[in-house]
Amino acid sequence: GQQLNQSPQSMFIQEGEDVSMNCTSSSIFNTWLWYKQDPGEGPVLLIALYKAGELTSNGRLTAQFGITRKDSFLNISASIPSDVGIYFCAGQLGNQGGKLIFGQGTELSVKP
Amino acid sequence: NAGVTQTPKFRVLKTGQSMTLLCAQDMNHEYMYWYRQDPGMGLRLIHYSVGEGTTAKGEVPDGYNVSRLKKQNFLLGLESAAPSQTSVYFCASSYTTGESNEQFFGPGTRLTVL
Repeated sequence: GQQLNQSPQSMFIQEGEDVSMNCTSSSIFNTWLWYKQDPGEGPVLLIALYKAGELTSNGRLTAQFGITRKDSFLNISASIPSDVGIYFCAGQLGNQGGKLIFGQGTELSVKP
Repeated sequence: NAGVTQTPKFRVLKTGQSMTLLCAQDMNHEYMYWYRQDPGMGLRLIHYSVGEGTTAKGEVPDGYNVSRLKKQNFLLGLESAAPSQTSVYFCASSYTTGESNEQFFGPGTRLTVL
């Protein structure tokens, strides 16, 4: 089946640093989504990307839909302690009942 | 709006016991999904539903059954629990169909099978 490779698996950074994570796939996706999961909670949508090449920002977060439709990245600028959590990418193939394929997640730790 | 809610939040079962997890959404979403989350494996789709009265298998359906008798509810059943089903279970729902899909998740149910 389809797989998403998300990297890095974990990151330990200092408050104020920028963060970058990415997802790659062997399959072409129509939609890329980035979610954040806080401990003990369900994932919450951060950014949705619908077109190849699309670059979208949400506050300090920026994400891009790769031109090849097989990859996406998420950047977080000037990290703060509340950015701690697990970040997931998810890709959607068209015409499959809205199903998403999730990456394995990137666990982010921010040291004050 | 409460969004997506799940009951129970925690449960401990013995091997062979059965149970049902309930998911409810008040956003009038057509699509609903059940995932399991295990360490280092992200979220894997168990079953999903594209509308009331319909269900379909996801990536890891074995050992689970589902029902969508009402649009707002999606039930996940374990007929004979096994230790391999120890996991955190998330329900999600979405409204949009076609190419764009934004899924909204519940808070999760942590299940331990002894």
